[in-house]
Amino acid sequence: DAGVIQSPRHEVTEMGQEVTLRCKPISGHNSLFWYRQTMMRGLELLIYFNNNVPIDDSGMPEDRFSAKMPNASFSTLKIQPSEPRDSAVYFCASSPGGAGNQPQHFGDGTRLSIL
Amino acid sequence: DQQVKQNSPSLSVQEGRISILNCDYTNSMFDYFLWYKKYPAEGPTFLISISSIKDKNEDGRFTVFLNKSAKHLSLHIVPSQPGDSAVYFCAASAREYGNKLVFGAGTILRVKS
Repeated sequence: DAGVIQSPRHEVTEMGQEVTLRCKPISGHNSLFWYRQTMMRGLELLIYFNNNVPIDDSGMPEDRFSAKMPNASFSTLKIQPSEPRDSAVYFCASSPGGAGNQPQHFGDGTRLSIL
Repeated sequence: DQQVKQNSPSLSVQEGRISILNCDYTNSMFDYFLWYKKYPAEGPTFLISISSIKDKNEDGRFTVFLNKSAKHLSLHIVPSQPGDSAVYFCAASAREYGNKLVFGAGTILRVKS
């Protein structure tokens, strides 16, 4: 049973570089979520998609952040240019979506360090 | 504005005893509540959930209680095991807000053997 798959698991890069985080949701799940976890702010939702369409990006911190979902099995979160304050663990999660409440299932995250 | 609060940063319990983790929320629109468990270097794992139309949901050693009037929920683990040592997150969502999850800050549970 493949869960949510994120890559890379760790990323260390210098300030100003472009960073791309990748996510493969659970097959058949229609909703995909990107979260960021920091010591100061905990787990916060950045953006989520339903059926590959961005529904709410109000959590995206600024224009340097962008997310895409070109198909049902792949999503990216891009930071350009990256800054040290972007250092955090980024999680992707998916859920079956549709009517009714459904739990979200998380990947193991990408630990991002911007030097 | 923290809509979901876990006021205890940590909890230590003896193996075999009951662990009680607490969570308070402020938004009365929340209608679905979840608990997640997280080990280091892993993503949060869904544990148990409860809809606002219920006041209790049980799954094996885990029971979640919801008190809507007090805007409070709790997770009971009985009996506690050393493998339960992890960070526990409470989360809430509302259909009106597109079922987006709002997380608490987490409680570190240590089960001593």
